[in-house]
Amino acid sequence: QQQVKQSPQSLIVQKGGISIINCAYENTAFDYFPWYQQFPGKGPALLIAIRPDVSEKKEGRFTISFNKSAKQFSLHIMDSQPGDSATYFCAASRSGNQFYFGTGTSLTVIP
Amino acid sequence: KAGVTQTPRYLIKTRGQQVTLSCSPISGHRSVSWYQQTPGQGLQFLFEYFSETQRNKGNFPGRFSGRQFSNSRSEMNVSTLELGDSALYLCASSWLQGRITEAFFGQGTRLTVV
Repeated sequence: QQQVKQSPQSLIVQKGGISIINCAYENTAFDYFPWYQQFPGKGPALLIAIRPDVSEKKEGRFTISFNKSAKQFSLHIMDSQPGDSATYFCAASRSGNQFYFGTGTSLTVIP
Repeated sequence: KAGVTQTPRYLIKTRGQQVTLSCSPISGHRSVSWYQQTPGQGLQFLFEYFSETQRNKGNFPGRFSGRQFSNSRSEMNVSTLELGDSALYLCASSWLQGRITEAFFGQGTRLTVV
């Protein structure tokens, strides 16, 4: 059973637009929700993360929105740039011991 | 500060052989986790070690094993390789003290089984 469901599978956005990726989880014991960015041939890089005691976290152009009651969280990339073209993974964990990853979203930002 | 180092970066092995992959975590990090990444299954948790003890194990056969040394470096071993073991194997390093649970990944070892 997929513990974390991610959508969409792929996303094409114009330069300067907003990219939105959504994730949903089942286990209410999860207490840490990171997003990772992965470029081809590289390992996933931690982008931004949130805990369930806050509803939003912003770091530069990247924002996580968290809805605890709906068990959903999303990544918003403002002013998307071609350099943001990568695969994005959401994840969830309980105390950081084991991460459950979404299936990934391939983002393409068109110049 | 050096990141997570995985060696080797690439490996080609024959079915039935065994392989050992190595991971050096970020200095000071005591938790090391291993993940398998494939196009079909995505990122799947293999196991996690903390202070030389395996604390969690994913749903993989016993052919997959690991260990952690006193300096927190970790190795994973896959015996009797199968074609389906071809994947990117990723190691993640964490501090895991208090509320600090961020995990940082290495670049991975690309294993090809032929």
